[in-house]
Amino acid sequence: QVQLQESGPGLVKPSGTLSLTCAVSGGSISSSNWWSWVRQPPGKGLEWIGEIYHSGSTNYNPSLKSRVTISVDKSKNQFSLKLSSVTAADTAVYYCARGVVVAATPWYDYWGQGTLVTVSS
Amino acid sequence: QSVLTQPPSVSGAPGQRVTISCTGSSSNIGAGYDVHWYQQLPGTAPKLLIYGNSNRPSGVPDRFSGSKSGTSASLAITGLQAEDEADYYCQSYDSSLSASYVFGTGTKVTVL
Repeated sequence: QVQLQESGPGLVKPSGTLSLTCAVSGGSISSSNWWSWVRQPPGKGLEWIGEIYHSGSTNYNPSLKSRVTISVDKSKNQFSLKLSSVTAADTAVYYCARGVVVAATPWYDYWGQGTLVTVSS
Repeated sequence: QSVLTQPPSVSGAPGQRVTISCTGSSSNIGAGYDVHWYQQLPGTAPKLLIYGNSNRPSGVPDRFSGSKSGTSASLAITGLQAEDEADYYCQSYDSSLSASYVFGTGTKVTVL
């Protein structure tokens, strides 16, 4: 059973950088899956942030692309998210998820429990 | 605002059938991209409910079914149960200028 666990600071100052890590257990990050980040502002819907393959290939949401970096550490079986120049609008629960790609649109079959990141001074 | 529009809420009595629509356009659902559905219980992570328009993962009751036609998709819940009270999201890909994977606006299902 694949499990994902997010970790990182729950509070980030405005204009700072949000950094989160997703540890993968019960499976290899080098499998044929894309590893994604999704966020959900309090009381709102889901927003796809971006994804990474174990080769290091990435795709990002165009609306966040200039501020987002996703990286992978195969030795630790984990991947990470960095979001720079954060504002209060970036306050959200951040989820990591495993993407299964058969056609053009992956579906997310395993999710982390989510971690709330608040942007505030 | 998402390019996939869902009704904010739907409700039904136990045992009834409810449907949730996911309306897109020619740059996403209408372009042939698959639609997936997720259930999010309060305070928990989303759970995959339907993948590839109409396929159920192992463990998902057959009360849940999905379909797709034209620029829209639908999720149907038959034999509604109290435990089905949750938020539901569709997901697909949009190939417009801001190409990206996208989630629907979300629908709150209330069991009366």
